[in-house]
Amino acid sequence: DAKTTQPPSMDCAEGRAANLPCNHSTISGNEYVYWYRQIHSQGPQYIIHGLKNNETNEMASLIITEDRKSSTLILPHATLRDTAVYYCIVRPTGNTPLVFGKGTRLSVIA
Amino acid sequence: GAVVSQHPSWVICKSGTSVKIECRSLDFQATTMFWYRQFPKQSLMLMATSNEGSKATYEQGVEKDKFLINHASLTLSTLTVTSAHPEDSSFYICSANGGSGRTNTGELFFGEGSRLTVL
Repeated sequence: DAKTTQPPSMDCAEGRAANLPCNHSTISGNEYVYWYRQIHSQGPQYIIHGLKNNETNEMASLIITEDRKSSTLILPHATLRDTAVYYCIVRPTGNTPLVFGKGTRLSVIA
Repeated sequence: GAVVSQHPSWVICKSGTSVKIECRSLDFQATTMFWYRQFPKQSLMLMATSNEGSKATYEQGVEKDKFLINHASLTLSTLTVTSAHPEDSSFYICSANGGSGRTNTGELFFGEGSRLTVL
């Protein structure tokens, strides 16, 4: 079972920041927070992951609370192409699978 | 980044036939690959873990005799849906860890998916 809770859907205006929340109150000390997204009829795409420090890459920023019980994925300037289902997943590193929850369907609106 | 490729991207077959889906890691070796399936408007569900040179490990409720997995090399895993029926119609997706010989940042890379339609 997924160990994360996400809102089922969100809207965001094009050009604005999209902030996607995720609760993972039962996260273990060796588990990372991963974010993936899935555009319709495609395989999931890796976005970012982190353990306890905030992370940033060319796609997004990941903000993890100090107690690690929740996190927020930030897309700084959302575009129409960012419309997708976003999955927040906790998982230890190593050869273990990702267990997907229902994710958040983000709709970017022009 | 690491690339995982699936083939075919879509296939239509008659009920009772078998269909093979290939999953390749193009620029890295993958001792372990994972197979998922996704029904319309649902999330990805893990079917099995494919281990190079050994038997696959199946999730509860997934029939190992129906979904045959072969991981004969470090870059190829295959999923064969045997005696396919309409209820097997789904989006099948594989993934692999882009570690082993590369900087292992822990992320899994996914194939493009294979859409199976059984008539």
